[in-house]
Amino acid sequence: QVQLVQSGAEVKKPGASVKVSCKASGYTFTSYDINWVRQATGQGPEWMGWMNANSGNTGYAQKFQGRVTMTRDTSITTAYMELTSLRSEDTAIYYCARNPAKTGDFEYWGQGTLVTVSS
Amino acid sequence: QAVLTQPSSLSASPGASASLTCTLRSDINVGTYTIYWYQKKPGSPPQYLLKYKSDSDKQQGSGVPSRFSGSKDASANAGILLISGLQSEDEADYYCMIWHSSTWVFGGGTKLTVL
Repeated sequence: QVQLVQSGAEVKKPGASVKVSCKASGYTFTSYDINWVRQATGQGPEWMGWMNANSGNTGYAQKFQGRVTMTRDTSITTAYMELTSLRSEDTAIYYCARNPAKTGDFEYWGQGTLVTVSS
Repeated sequence: QAVLTQPSSLSASPGASASLTCTLRSDINVGTYTIYWYQKKPGSPPQYLLKYKSDSDKQQGSGVPSRFSGSKDASANAGILLISGLQSEDEADYYCMIWHSSTWVFGGGTKLTVL
């Protein structure tokens, strides 16, 4: 069965960086995109960007341009999302989600990774 | 003005139907967009429900009951998620989403209470 398993919770200080991993299994990793979506408490989901797991091509939301990097290691079917220059407003649950390229069918999601930014 | 606007809350009785709206900003035409719908329960990731562009271009998410359906109201420039035969387990937050300006944009969500 398709599974996306994310790395554990993180606590970071303002200005630091965080790298969240998303281990995929149960399907051909390079046949789908991986998207990253975050949700802060009391707010709606916020899309951060996509990555084609085959080519490594990426597209980022304008809000995160310059601060986010999405990568993958196909040998271990794992995607990564790194967010730099963290601030308190980045405190949220971060999710990876799988979709066929160029569609919004995010049918499979990771369990979420809580990132807390606090001094 | 937000790209997608959803009512913050909606209440309905078990067995009844609930119509959740997702209004697009006035300068973008609902007819040209595929509207995606997601259900979110506390402690769980969002669950994909369905997508709707037209009656001939729509798709239900895998395993999603047929009592969840999508449509559009062109006069209101809105996408609609209709949930019929409401059950207590349908109590959740519901979000619409579109692809706009090279970005996946979510609405603010509607909290559906079944009571």
